[in-house]
Amino acid sequence: GDSVTQMEGPVTLSEEAFLTINCTYTATGYPSLFWYVQYPGEGLQLLLKATKADDKGSNKGFEATYRKETTSFHLEKGSVQVSDSAVYFCALGFLNRDDKIIFGKGTRLHILP
Amino acid sequence: NAGVTQTPKFQVLKTGQSMTLQCAQDMNHEYMSWYRQDPGMGLRLIHYSVGAGITDQGEVPNGYNVSRSTTEDFPLRLLSAAPSQTSVYFCASSSDSYLSGANVLTFGAGSRLTVL
Repeated sequence: GDSVTQMEGPVTLSEEAFLTINCTYTATGYPSLFWYVQYPGEGLQLLLKATKADDKGSNKGFEATYRKETTSFHLEKGSVQVSDSAVYFCALGFLNRDDKIIFGKGTRLHILP
Repeated sequence: NAGVTQTPKFQVLKTGQSMTLQCAQDMNHEYMSWYRQDPGMGLRLIHYSVGAGITDQGEVPNGYNVSRSTTEDFPLRLLSAAPSQTSVYFCASSSDSYLSGANVLTFGAGSRLTVL
């Protein structure tokens, strides 16, 4: 079945470090791919998305490129801040699929000042 | 603009008790859903609805009931709570716009439920 696998956390980095959170997927067909972020005590919110192969989603300094050949959608940021500390979820979804989105298990990120 | 509102934020139940988690959205979204979030498990879909009067089961529906009498509201009912239902519950909604921004969910802030 369709699934999303992301690197286990927690990931701990110092402020201004480079961030990569790996995400790979298994899917029949051509899904859209998403990164959602959950700040402490809050619900998830969309961080970025890509709807087809080679698309790059970007927001708040974060980027991810839809790689069909490696079935990956890795999240990157060049210089993280303490305020980026959160849980990050990779997800996939299909157009016209009512059961909507399949989420990965989440990666907790801690940024140290 | 309130978005997705969930109540209550916290609830403690005893095994066998019943309760309803409320979810309301003011964005005129056709699609609404309930997820539970458990440590190491990520988010799992419980039930979803593509419009008023229509509901369907997700990945983990057992022990939960839903109804959708209006576009705005999508309550989740636990008829006889069990300790295995201790979790954080999230309601999410989405516009029925498959051609643009498809599958972008707007989440509520969550309801933390403990069943003793």
